[in-house]
Amino acid sequence: NAGVTQTPKFQVLKTGQSMTLQCAQDMNHEYMSWYRQDPGMGLRLIHYSVGAGITDQGEVPNGYNVSRSTTEDFPLRLLSAAPSQTSVYFCASSQGGRSNQPQHFGDGTRLSIL
Amino acid sequence: AQSVAQPEDQVNVAEGNPLTVKCTYSVSGNPYLFWYVQYPNRGLQFLLKYITGDNLVKGSYGFEAEFNKSQTSFHLKKPSALVSDSALYFCAVRDMDAGNNRKLIWGLGTSLAVNP
Repeated sequence: NAGVTQTPKFQVLKTGQSMTLQCAQDMNHEYMSWYRQDPGMGLRLIHYSVGAGITDQGEVPNGYNVSRSTTEDFPLRLLSAAPSQTSVYFCASSQGGRSNQPQHFGDGTRLSIL
Repeated sequence: AQSVAQPEDQVNVAEGNPLTVKCTYSVSGNPYLFWYVQYPNRGLQFLLKYITGDNLVKGSYGFEAEFNKSQTSFHLKKPSALVSDSALYFCAVRDMDAGNNRKLIWGLGTSLAVNP
């Protein structure tokens, strides 16, 4: 009964380094998304996917890439980390095709960029 | 434009007292409304939702929320607060008339502190 699993839980990077935040769900959900959470700014949508092979930008996509090769996995890539990307990142999934379905969240990745 | 407002950054309540966390929204169509809770160092957890029907919605952990269309509000309530209810609460709305747009509009969150 894993739900949404995010790895790693914590990461420290230097400016300019790259890394991939992993997200996997075992609920066969079509819809997956990435958010960042910053103090005083709530949740902001980075990228989302409505199914395998389909991704789209959210409100703050710059500096991030995503891909969705399988239903289960939705990795988030930082190509060249910047201090402004220091944040807590959450992956979420929900049952596709029904916008009244709640989202299931992972426990987050806490990322610090030095 | 679609928006959600949680007018209180923090709510303090004594254990055993009733609690209310406020949420107002603005969408052009009919709303789907959600409440989520976030405990420290955890992801958000779904509490309850309003889609249609009865304006009073019951959810997890004894929470309930009342949909008020005329006031465009969806306040979260609990008759008797517990210390363990202390957490960050988020209201979210989705415009059900927005076609394939599945993006949720999130409030900024309200920190609830229940004092023993």
